[in-house]
Amino acid sequence: GQQLNQSPQSMFIQEGEDVSMNCTSSSIFNTWLWYKQDPGEGPVLLIALYKAGELTSNGRLTAQFGITRKDSFLNISASIPSDVGIYFCAGPLIQGAQKLVFGQGTRLTINP
Amino acid sequence: NAGVTQTPKFQVLKTGQSMTLQCAQDMNHNSMYWYRQDPGMGLRLIYYSASEGTTDKGEVPNGYNVSRLNKREFSLRLESAAPSQTSVYFCASSEAYRQASYEQYFGPGTRLTVT
Repeated sequence: GQQLNQSPQSMFIQEGEDVSMNCTSSSIFNTWLWYKQDPGEGPVLLIALYKAGELTSNGRLTAQFGITRKDSFLNISASIPSDVGIYFCAGPLIQGAQKLVFGQGTRLTINP
Repeated sequence: NAGVTQTPKFQVLKTGQSMTLQCAQDMNHNSMYWYRQDPGMGLRLIYYSASEGTTDKGEVPNGYNVSRLNKREFSLRLESAAPSQTSVYFCASSEAYRQASYEQYFGPGTRLTVT
């Protein structure tokens, strides 16, 4: 079935550094979603992208819908301790249907 | 608004026991979902309900049943729990029209251990 591959699987950075992660698929997606999961909590929607090439920001977070429609990118600028968590990308299995497929996540750890 | 709530937060079962996980949302969403999350993996869809009165299988439905009790509530039942069902279970909801239908909102999860 369709799979979303996230890279890297884990990151260890210093506070204040910028972070980049990506999500790729062998199939075309028309919607990309980025979620963050804090330890012991449910995922929280960060950014939704609906158009190829779209660049959307949410505070220090910026996400891009890749022009090929097969990838998406999430950047975090000037990381702070509360950015720690797991970041997931997701997209609809079939456009128009509501079922989502999720990547395996990128775990972010920040050293103060 | 509480958003999506789940009960219980933690549960330990013995193999063969049954239980029902409860989920409720107060956002007037039409669609609701049940996922499981296992270590190192993303979320996998168990069942979903596009609207009140309808349910459909997701990626991993075996061993589970669901009930969409009304627009607010969507329950997940394990009839005979197995160790392979040890996982964290998340309920989610979304609107059912246009782009907003992809934006799912999650509850805090139920951590289930089957021994």
